Amino acid sequence: DAGVTQSPTHLIKTRGQHVTLRCSPISGHKSVSWYQQVLGQGPQFIFQYYEKEERGRGNFPDRFSARQFPNYSSELNVNALLLGDSALYLCASGFSNTEAFFGQGTRLTVV
Amino acid sequence: GIQVEQSPPDLILQEGANSTLRCNFSDSVNNLQWFHQNPWGQLINLFYIPSGTKQNGRLSATTVATERYSLLYISSSQTTDSGVYFCAGPAYAAGTALIFGKGTTLSVSS
Repeated sequence: DAGVTQSPTHLIKTRGQHVTLRCSPISGHKSVSWYQQVLGQGPQFIFQYYEKEERGRGNFPDRFSARQFPNYSSELNVNALLLGDSALYLCASGFSNTEAFFGQGTRLTVV
Repeated sequence: GIQVEQSPPDLILQEGANSTLRCNFSDSVNNLQWFHQNPWGQLINLFYIPSGTKQNGRLSATTVATERYSLLYISSSQTTDSGVYFCAGPAYAAGTALIFGKGTTLSVSS
């Protein structure tokens, strides 16, 4: 079985631009969550989706948004990119209330 | 959501030594996970352990939910054990969203 897959793996964007990151969960998993990890820190929770509905949001500005599709894949969108948005973005999937499994991440650099 | 604190922040060992990493959390949990992050950023699942003790080879973990802490034991450490170890607890009562600690950076030298 394929694990959690994220695309792209690396991305370079300019300040002010918009970016879309994608995540495909493990087959059968209906819960997807997104995290931002800056260098030297632990991952910070951004969003949780379950059955295509937002079920939780971390302390991030409205420039960050996400959605989950009928096939349970998910997108994370970030508008008006700032230099401080440069980070590793991680996606995780799981069943409800059980172990979460992570993708390899998307490394975003904003210049 | 809960707060998660890990200690020590850094650990330096000689190959073959044993180590204990600690995770304290501020509230009761129904989901507690330990991860190892490899140099490429991938989070590798080590244990899903809301309570009790589990073992996997040279690694074992114990969570004492009533006292709000979890321990990760690494025995006979190897250089390949080097990296950052994270524990994480639930962001909400339901779902798989996690709150992470700041991690323990382990360096094992030969």
